[in-house]
Amino acid sequence: EVQLLESGGDLVQPGGSLRLSCAASGFTFSSSAMSWVRQAPGKGLEWVSAISSGGHNTYYADSVKGRFTISRDNSKNTMYLQMNSLRAEDTAVYYCAKPTGGVRNGYFDLWGRGALVTVSS
Amino acid sequence: EIVMTQSPATLSVSPGERATLSCRASQSVSSNLAWYQQKPGQAPRLLIYGASTRATGIPARFSGSGSGTEFTLTISSLQSEDFAVYYCQQYNNWPLFGGGTKVEIK
Repeated sequence: EVQLLESGGDLVQPGGSLRLSCAASGFTFSSSAMSWVRQAPGKGLEWVSAISSGGHNTYYADSVKGRFTISRDNSKNTMYLQMNSLRAEDTAVYYCAKPTGGVRNGYFDLWGRGALVTVSS
Repeated sequence: EIVMTQSPATLSVSPGERATLSCRASQSVSSNLAWYQQKPGQAPRLLIYGASTRATGIPARFSGSGSGTEFTLTISSLQSEDFAVYYCQQYNNWPLFGGGTKVEIK
């Protein structure tokens, strides 16, 4: 079955850190660019970060640049999002998503179920 | 910087009726436009890409049109399972989503 499964969501204090994981199955992960998209409670969708298939190229939204780091381990079919210096406004459900068409110009044809990150004291 | 604007914010429609959702880009995105459906507690689901191509398994009652800056998603005859929030996304240059349209039961 083709699927993405996020893990690692939790409650964290402002200024804290958290690492999300996204395990992929059912497709050739090592050939696919991947992305993170988040959704704050009751709000719309926001693209957060993307990584090329080989992991050499990474991209970030301005809202997380310098605080978040995307990475992947193709031997484990897993992508990660290291989130540091977390703020209340980072509270959201974080989805991993597979873009079709390219890292910077693709639409998302596969989504995970999401991981909830809550930043609060 | 591109801005994606969806209208209306909420659309009240009776089952069996037609729903027309609009998405406008502040500058041309060519046909690099996708539509998603999201139900409460679920991930978004791809409906349309390339402005008018239905994704795999999407019923024919969903259709997309437009190019450049003006796009439309039409649901020809609303079924109970179609009441949800719909998002457009441009992918001409970095993914950017519209604010969404909630389709609710009238």
